[in-house]
Amino acid sequence: QSALTQPASVSGSPGQSITISCTGTSNDIGGYNYVSWYQQHPGKAPKLMIYEVSNRPSGVSDRFSGSKSGNTASLTISGLQAEDEADYYCSSYTSTNWVFGGGTKLTVL
Amino acid sequence: EVHLLESGGGLVQPGGSLRLSCAASGFIFSNYAMSWVRQAPGKGLEWVSGISGSAGTTFYADSVKGRFTISRDYSKSTLYLQMNSLRVDDTAVYYCAKAQGAYGSSSLGDYWGLGTLVTVSS
Repeated sequence: QSALTQPASVSGSPGQSITISCTGTSNDIGGYNYVSWYQQHPGKAPKLMIYEVSNRPSGVSDRFSGSKSGNTASLTISGLQAEDEADYYCSSYTSTNWVFGGGTKLTVL
Repeated sequence: EVHLLESGGGLVQPGGSLRLSCAASGFIFSNYAMSWVRQAPGKGLEWVSGISGSAGTTFYADSVKGRFTISRDYSKSTLYLQMNSLRVDDTAVYYCAKAQGAYGSSSLGDYWGLGTLVTVSS
């Protein structure tokens, strides 16, 4: 099972918006609407931020949004805040298994 | 409140075995699929294995197939991962995660435990 492709790092200033891409294939992202995004701070467990491409769990800020086009999913964070600095991982279902992206380190300048 | 607590990690020699446990509370255990996800030091997340809710159907990543066995005890609301023939590259923090619903739907984890460290070294 090949990992999904994410940029290694992105950065932005407080108040700006950033987008993290996640590219897969027709066997995962392109074939299912079960794309999720997780936020992980150093030494902490992952936290679900987006599920089913664009849905936010209760308690997650509406500054976080998700979308998908073809085999690529995206996570957009608007109004960047210092607390958003973390690693972000995308994940997709793929017939019988789950696959993650390699992770993107978000730096808030 | 949903709570997941992993245990059983530790230091083991290559070729050895270890059993991880994940005690679950705060939800109807049989209604939800569960997964194990690992993270090697300084690396990204890797899905390891999953198990469906009431039926207990199991799924494995190719990297652990034939060596690891996932199971669940409904009476104890506990998830297990039996790890045999351990290799150095199995060294990681192992997290258990509760799915949002049935296996293969929605997301693999809306709640995660804090993880347990497995170190495979001679």
